[in-house]
Amino acid sequence: AQSVTQPDIHITVSEGASLELRCNYSYGATPYLFWYVQSPGQGLQLLLKYFSGDTLVQGIKGFEAEFKRSQSSFNLRKPSVHWSDAAEYFCAVGAISSNTGKLIFGQGTTLQVKP
Amino acid sequence: EAGVAQSPRYKIIEKRQSVAFWCNPISGHATLYWYQQILGQGPKLLIQFQNNGVVDDSQLPKDRFSAERLKGVDSTLKIQPAKLEDSAVYLCASSPRAGPGSYEQYFGPGTRLTVT
Repeated sequence: AQSVTQPDIHITVSEGASLELRCNYSYGATPYLFWYVQSPGQGLQLLLKYFSGDTLVQGIKGFEAEFKRSQSSFNLRKPSVHWSDAAEYFCAVGAISSNTGKLIFGQGTTLQVKP
Repeated sequence: EAGVAQSPRYKIIEKRQSVAFWCNPISGHATLYWYQQILGQGPKLLIQFQNNGVVDDSQLPKDRFSAERLKGVDSTLKIQPAKLEDSAVYLCASSPRAGPGSYEQYFGPGTRLTVT
């Protein structure tokens, strides 16, 4: 069965420091991969997606993610974190077997930014 | 363009009562989703509509949950009777595409349900 694991439940970084959020997936073929961000009281916003091609994908708000098939990972990165980046981040995989656009989400990583 | 609208934003009910949530997707979006997000977990798909037909309701607890999408636009999700474990945020999302292309989803702000 497909699954997504985000090993870090909570991460704290200083403003201006670099950020990497980890995501590992379990899937037999090339997956469709996504990162969403959820601010308090808000819905989820799509940061970036990977369908195929270049394994380094750029997203909104200065985020990028790299697909590594050998490690079954899709880690999210940002070179310099801003206080407004404090939020919850979800990695998701598209359930291709269903052919319906169903997303399977990880449990999320809460990012806290220290001034 | 206007985003996905949901109401109410918050609801508190007692167990065994019924409750209904409403979602208005982005205009023209063919696919609509309802997700349940329990505190500390990622969203879990409950039901997916394409236009006004159900595509996937495999994780919908059908003994107490029901959903409909009238005329392929607005949707309502109902719980009757509610249990304590139904306390969660209920997220509605829509996509302009159908099938695998509908992975690109736009989410509403959610309805936070507390069952006491």
